[in-house]
Amino acid sequence: EAQVTQNPRYLITVTGKKLTVTCSQNMNHEYMSWYRQDPGLGLRQIYYSMNVEVTDKGDVPEGYKVSRKEKRNFPLILESPSPNQTSLYFCASSLRLAGGGGTGELFFGEGSRLTVL
Amino acid sequence: DQQVKQNSPSLSVQEGRISILNCDYTNSMFDYFLWYKKYPAEGPTFLISISSIKDKNEDGRFTVFLNKSAKHLSLHIVPSQPGDSAVYFCAARGRLSGGYNKLIFGAGTRLAVHP
Repeated sequence: EAQVTQNPRYLITVTGKKLTVTCSQNMNHEYMSWYRQDPGLGLRQIYYSMNVEVTDKGDVPEGYKVSRKEKRNFPLILESPSPNQTSLYFCASSLRLAGGGGTGELFFGEGSRLTVL
Repeated sequence: DQQVKQNSPSLSVQEGRISILNCDYTNSMFDYFLWYKKYPAEGPTFLISISSIKDKNEDGRFTVFLNKSAKHLSLHIVPSQPGDSAVYFCAARGRLSGGYNKLIFGAGTRLAVHP
């Protein structure tokens, strides 16, 4: 079954304690991305990756790091979490659509709800 | 500056009637528009899309209309069913270098369909 898998699904942590949210996709997608969802703000992009070892900042990258050492995995790292990073996080992937064509459809994971106390 | 706006945070519709969800955008360079549906405790799932060169796309009970001059699109659900109750996100596709896509999402509209 084609899917994007995130872990953990739920996490409560304290300010300053480093954590990693893992993301893995089994569709051989080149493009992967992290979003956070907050009330009234929709889905905002944190970081994205066009391929292995190629990553770039999205719209709200402050306080986050990512890595893309393998095509299937794209972990999100919070080095020193703060309460304003309490949010619902989604990992997503899609095919590379060079030259146009297709819809740019993103496939999302089920989400990781993070609470930072 | 929100490039994609969904001005109605919620919508309540009776079962069997039409649901109309609206979305406005500001960037005329967007080339594709997508609607995603999200149930609680699940990730968003793709619902329907439309290219900027079209003004209508239909898929079963779901139809998306695009008015480029007004920079406005809408999703029509006819007839609405209780299982359609979810949050609907409008998204617009912009282009990054190298042919990759960036989706910019609206804030979402929560649809409640009552029996």
